[in-house]
This record gives sequence, C-alpha cells and structure tokens, in this order.
Amino acid sequence: KQEVTQIPAALSVPEGENLVLNCSFTDSAIYNLQWFRQDPGKGLTSLLLIQSSQREQTSGRLNASLDKSSGRSTLYIAASQPGDSATYLCAVTPQGAQKLVFGQGTRLTINP
Amino acid sequence: DAGVIQSPRHEVTEMGQEVTLRCKPISGHNSLFWYRQTMMRGLELLIYFNNNVPIDDSGMPEDRFSAKMPNASFSTLKIQPSEPRDSAVYFCASSFWLSSYEQYFGPGTRLTVT
Repeated sequence: KQEVTQIPAALSVPEGENLVLNCSFTDSAIYNLQWFRQDPGKGLTSLLLIQSSQREQTSGRLNASLDKSSGRSTLYIAASQPGDSATYLCAVTPQGAQKLVFGQGTRLTINP
Repeated sequence: DAGVIQSPRHEVTEMGQEVTLRCKPISGHNSLFWYRQTMMRGLELLIYFNNNVPIDDSGMPEDRFSAKMPNASFSTLKIQPSEPRDSAVYFCASSFWLSSYEQYFGPGTRLTVT
C-alpha cells in the first residue's frame, strides 16, 4: 500500500528565505507526483506536476524535483513571501490506479 | 473554463438527515473523483468514475454513502442517514483519463452534521 509522508508538519521562516519542503513515498511505481497548495478554508490549487519519467519541474519561484528510485520529492521555494503562507500537499498517482494518495501536508508560515 | 464546480459550499444538517453534494467537472474531462478531508485522516479518495462508470469505490466508508454520475457533466454524493462523524470537507476533482492524470479540484463542500 502506497504511503506518502511529508516532513516537517509545520515550518516558519522569515520573509526572503529560500526553503525546501520534503515528501517521501513508499512505492516507486507511480505515474506522477503533484504538489498542491491549500489556503485555510479553501480548495486545492495544483502547483506542479512531475511525470514519473521527469526529474524536475519549475514554475516561477517554485521548483519541484523527483527521485523515483529513492521515493523522494522536494519542493523548493525561492525568495519566500508572506503570500506563500499556506499548507503544501504532496500526492502521488500509483501505477495501476488513478487515485491520488496524499501526504498530510506541511503548514508553511512566512513571517514579514 | 469555470473549473470544477461544487454545490453547496457549506451544508449544516442534523443527524439522520439526507445530504446530497453536487459536482460539475471541467468540460471535456472524463474522470471524476470524490475525496474527503478531515483533520485526523487527511485527504482520502472515496470513489472515482471513468466515462461515468464507477471504477473504485473502496474508499466509500459504508452503505450510507452512495455516488452517481448520470452524465459527463454531473455527479452527486449522497449520505443517508448522515452522522456527526461525516462532518468533513468533501472535494470533487476531475481529469482527462489517459493524459497526464493531472487532477483539478473544486472548492469543496464543508459539511457539518450536528
């Protein structure tokens, strides 16, 4: 059974810092990995999708990497801003299934 | 496109009442997913459909829950009778099967059962 873990559960950093969020999964047989952002009381916004054949994806100040063999992904946020404060969720699509398996998320706070 | 549309956004009901949640997927998408989010268990898949056919309902907690997709542009999730432990945020998502499998989520329905 695929399990996804995100560490740390919460992170607080000063504005302007670069930071890394971590995601690990137990089974390397995946189609893809998605990073989402969730603001309090809101839905999920897809940030980046990495296919199993890819190593990384970039969008603006965000860069996500995937090491499928070791079951790890990182989300790098450059020059953090208070508007980046949210919960970040990592999810994988296991091979042979279409459903997303989610981690518990990292709650990020950027302090002005 | 308006994205995935869910209604109602908030629902408060008393234990024992029937609750119906609605979802309109993104036009052209042929896969639809229902997820539930709670503090204790995080986000979990309840059921998903491909081309309006239920494929995996193993996440549906019990017989009180049922889901239908009568056509490509509409799905319902029904709870009858509702219980306080059903209180959660229910998300609908859609994707284009056999593409990137990227899922797009609706804003969710926050259900409170008293």
